[in-house]
Amino acid sequence: AQSVTQLDSQVPVFEEAPVELRCNYSSSVSVYLFWYVQYPNQGLQLLLKYLSGSTLVKGINGFEAEFNKSQTSFHLRKPSVHISDTAEYFCAVSEGSGSYIPTFGRGTSLIVHP
Amino acid sequence: ETGVTQTPRHLVMGMTNKKSLKCEQHLGHNAMYWYKQSAKKPLELMFVYSLEERVENNSVPSRFSPECPNSSHLFLHLHTLQPEDSALYLCASSQYSTGSYEQYFGPGTRLTVT
Repeated sequence: AQSVTQLDSQVPVFEEAPVELRCNYSSSVSVYLFWYVQYPNQGLQLLLKYLSGSTLVKGINGFEAEFNKSQTSFHLRKPSVHISDTAEYFCAVSEGSGSYIPTFGRGTSLIVHP
Repeated sequence: ETGVTQTPRHLVMGMTNKKSLKCEQHLGHNAMYWYKQSAKKPLELMFVYSLEERVENNSVPSRFSPECPNSSHLFLHLHTLQPEDSALYLCASSQYSTGSYEQYFGPGTRLTVT
């Protein structure tokens, strides 16, 4: 069975600083990986996804993530954050083709200070 | 309307009431999901409807009853709820057969049980 670990429940950072949100997964098969963002009082919105191909994936709002198969990681990065990036971020994994039920991590709260 | 819509956005109900949450997706997707999101807890998958099957989380109490009359509409019928059922209820949809796999979420219904 698959599982997802988001190592940090909360990440405080100052505006314009870089940030990395960590995600590790465990699975016995090939996986599809996702990052979602949830702003206050809203649903989740897809930031980016890895299905295959290049291990560096670029998403919306300047975010990117790198798939590392040997370390079973999919960390999310942004070189310079804005106040508006303050939100909850969720990593999710699906086990390959045909699987439509993903497993979500517990979420990381990114707090950007001025 | 575009994307995934949910009504009502807010609901306050007593423990003896019966109410229903509604979700509609305008994306032509073939799978729909109900999630429960409580404060400080991970996202909890409650029910999934796809073309082939219905999947349910066995830990969901019977006071929650889903209904999926067609591929665009999903309901969650609520009766004799408990205060611990207060949470944000999120609906999502996906089109897993075309290789995209990501989920599209509605804004959620904030439920308060008094």
